[in-house]
Amino acid sequence: DAGITQSPRHKVTETGTPVTLRCHQTENHRYMYWYRQDPGHGLRLIHYSYGVKDTDKGEVSDGYSVSRSKTEDFLLTLESATSSQTSVYFCATSITGELFFGEGSRLTVL
Amino acid sequence: GQQVMQIPQYQHVQEGEDFTTYCNSSTTLSNIQWYKQRPGGHPVFLIQLVKSGEVKKQKRLTFQFGEAKKNSSLHITATQTTDVGTYFCAGSLSNDYKLSFGAGTTVTVRA
Repeated sequence: DAGITQSPRHKVTETGTPVTLRCHQTENHRYMYWYRQDPGHGLRLIHYSYGVKDTDKGEVSDGYSVSRSKTEDFLLTLESATSSQTSVYFCATSITGELFFGEGSRLTVL
Repeated sequence: GQQVMQIPQYQHVQEGEDFTTYCNSSTTLSNIQWYKQRPGGHPVFLIQLVKSGEVKKQKRLTFQFGEAKKNSSLHITATQTTDVGTYFCAGSLSNDYKLSFGAGTTVTVRA
């Protein structure tokens, strides 16, 4: 597997608080992605990046923002967390189309 | 938007039997990929299909891309307990490296 590290791996927070999830890669892959996984929905794309400071929205981007200031880091921010954002978040990277996934970050919003 | 549908959602298989999971898109795909996620784990890439009608095999797994590039299938023969997990298909409309995933087929195996 590509060297992808997600942090934190588990987080419990309260509604209305900001949350930032970090994805760090050591493979110098150009493309990075944030997906959320919920039962019955598979993996849904939140945002993706095709280079430093180049990002675009996915299919479920409302309530999320991202930043990529360095090739190796892709941050996902929930400005004001809601209970509907309780999920498992996966970061992925790619260089030729095949996705390499991180271990996931489980977020619970109470 | 693009939708990728997968059926069945669940597949309960007797060890040694064969099964097939199907993936259908509402639009023509540039390529389709398949991933496997073990319980508690993260998705792992299995294969990519690009050509119309393409068939690829990996040991007991056979992957097929439809002639119209709107559907795909994964067939597993002689199911083993190691095949337990959720299998996802994922397609892209063009070579833009943006994949849409199906909801997955979760496979359980009876020994």
